[in-house]
Amino acid sequence: EAGVAQSPRYKIIEKRQSVAFWCNPISGHATLYWYQQILGQGPKLLIQFQNNGVVDDSQLPKDRFSAERLKGVDSTLKIQPAKLEDSAVYLCASSQKQGNTEAFFGQGTRLTVV
Amino acid sequence: AQRVTQPEKLLSVFKGAPVELKCNYSYSGSPELFWYVQYSRQRLQLLLRHISRESIKGFTADLNKGETSFHLKKPFAQEEDSAMYYCALSPKAAGNKLTFGGGTRVLVKP
Repeated sequence: EAGVAQSPRYKIIEKRQSVAFWCNPISGHATLYWYQQILGQGPKLLIQFQNNGVVDDSQLPKDRFSAERLKGVDSTLKIQPAKLEDSAVYLCASSQKQGNTEAFFGQGTRLTVV
Repeated sequence: AQRVTQPEKLLSVFKGAPVELKCNYSYSGSPELFWYVQYSRQRLQLLLRHISRESIKGFTADLNKGETSFHLKKPFAQEEDSAMYYCALSPKAAGNKLTFGGGTRVLVKP
């Protein structure tokens, strides 16, 4: 089956600019996650969607980060304005349901803020 | 709050030697524990989870609730095991709301 697709793969922006990442989960997967992975650290959950509703966004810096999953399929994550500390790999993952089924990860978008 | 600690950043072993990656966690409830692996230029993928009690690619991991550990072991390392390994925790039945450790890089030398 096709995996989780993310774009772009790489993005370089200046601080205070805005950026958006896109994720297309595996077909039929109801649950979608965005993780942030800073260099040298493990991934950190930013937001979890169940279909098009937010289940958990407690770790999302809502003053600058936003995410949506219209129609319960694709999702976008936006940063506005970006800070230097936002430089990281942004990973999207999906799973069939909210229970402990396997999460499948995309290849990630590497963001560099200069 | 939940926390996962992987004390070793790098493990270097020779092919055929045993390898053990340490993982300790803190969580007040009943957790689900996982090991994820990322091979070079590949995406992060599930290696094994404690509820399955299975061996994948020769790796096993036992959940020790008394010591709050979930160490990953393989008796005979292979060069293709060289990768980044992440231990992760999720509250039971909370889906894949994963808290990851910092990761351990395993290098298997010929």
